[in-house]
Amino acid sequence: TQLLEQSPQFLSIQEGENLTVYCNSSSVFSSLQWYRQEPGEGPVLLVTVVTGGEVKKLKRLTFQFGDARKDSSLHITAAQPGDTGLYLCAGHNYGGSQGNLIFGKGTKLSVKP
Amino acid sequence: EAEVAQSPRYKITEKSQAVAFWCDPISGHATLYWYRQILGQGPELLVQFQDESVVDDSQLPKDRFSAERLKGVDSTLKIQPAELGDSAMYLCASSLELSFHNEQFFGPGTRLTVL
Repeated sequence: TQLLEQSPQFLSIQEGENLTVYCNSSSVFSSLQWYRQEPGEGPVLLVTVVTGGEVKKLKRLTFQFGDARKDSSLHITAAQPGDTGLYLCAGHNYGGSQGNLIFGKGTKLSVKP
Repeated sequence: EAEVAQSPRYKITEKSQAVAFWCDPISGHATLYWYRQILGQGPELLVQFQDESVVDDSQLPKDRFSAERLKGVDSTLKIQPAELGDSAMYLCASSLELSFHNEQFFGPGTRLTVL
């Protein structure tokens, strides 16, 4: 069974601080996606990483896929209250399990003004 | 901007009653997913459709849950009878096709509370 472990589970920081969220697995994934979910809403896709070692930037968010495609990280620079939410990573293994996504349990981020 | 539509947004029911959720995927998306998300957890797949066919329903509790996508467009998920443990967020997602990346786009969800 493929599992994705996210850490930390909870993170509470002040506006302007930097943070890193981790997503780890013992399995290799074809691609990995990061979503942000606000309370009472569905997850919103932020980015997809597909190549080992790949780095993608989305404004103040930097996403990295591990060289072996087993892990990923999300780094937020100068966090703002609008970054508050549940960050989910989801792995996809093309050709396996009919192509569904395996989700981690998420990191709940709170950024205080 | 194209979005996945879901209704209702909130549903409160008593145990042993029947409930139904509706989902309309992004136009042209052949693959549709229903997920259940318990508070504090990541979404877990219940059922996956490719057009009107079920591709994966291995995690669907078939004694009480059913799902259909008759014309390969919108879909309905039903629970009968509802149990206390079914209280959760039910999410629908769609993707263009079963691709290498499988980027899925989610609707706003239906929050179910079973009393």
